[in-house]
Amino acid sequence: GAVVSQHPSWVICKSGTSVKIECRSLDFQATTMFWYRQFPKQSLMLMATSNEGSKATYEQGVEKDKFLINHASLTLSTLTVTSAHPEDSSFYICSAARGTSGFSYEQYFGPGTRLTVT
Amino acid sequence: AQTVTQSQPEMSVQEAETVTLSCTYDTSENNYYLFWYKQPPSRQMILVIRQEAYKQQNATENRFSVNFQKAAKSFSLKISDSQLGDTAMYFCAFMKHSAGGSQGNLIFGKGTKLSVKP
Repeated sequence: GAVVSQHPSWVICKSGTSVKIECRSLDFQATTMFWYRQFPKQSLMLMATSNEGSKATYEQGVEKDKFLINHASLTLSTLTVTSAHPEDSSFYICSAARGTSGFSYEQYFGPGTRLTVT
Repeated sequence: AQTVTQSQPEMSVQEAETVTLSCTYDTSENNYYLFWYKQPPSRQMILVIRQEAYKQQNATENRFSVNFQKAAKSFSLKISDSQLGDTAMYFCAFMKHSAGGSQGNLIFGKGTKLSVKP
């Protein structure tokens, strides 16, 4: 149990276009999901915290108008990279905190999405 | 703010031998969780082991064990009988416990690249 999927696993888009990445918890509900960005040979950098039914909380330095997050249900959060540029090329990873109320230390990671902007 | 430090960018070990990865952290919190995650070349984040700060007993999971020194804010990972499949990036992570019920995020160290040699 506790599987998180991401779609697509790899996407190539042209500069100036937008791309949507989906994160789904397949067998549990998650009020809170997290979006991370990982550059090659580096650690995971938290971009934003996504809460079902409310606005996402963005980390300092992350442009909320560029990285749109929607958490429409207890099993789905989406990250849309708008007007993508080559510098947005990266590996994006989501995680889902198991549970619908209160604190949970159980977080499960998706397999990641490789975004390449040409 | 909490920080996590992994001072060993790379390590190598011979198959079947034992290796210890170091991690220190800084926090003023008393209730928190510590984690070791493994990221193999597939880039899927895999939980290796978890330690609750209120537990004095060190966590163990088969060949993986930790040495948790709360006063020293140290959390090292020992891998016994190393296997080729243990080759991966290993990230130490911290999560603050939230008594108020809000979900905490993971704070990662920079990682240690472990190579297991045949």
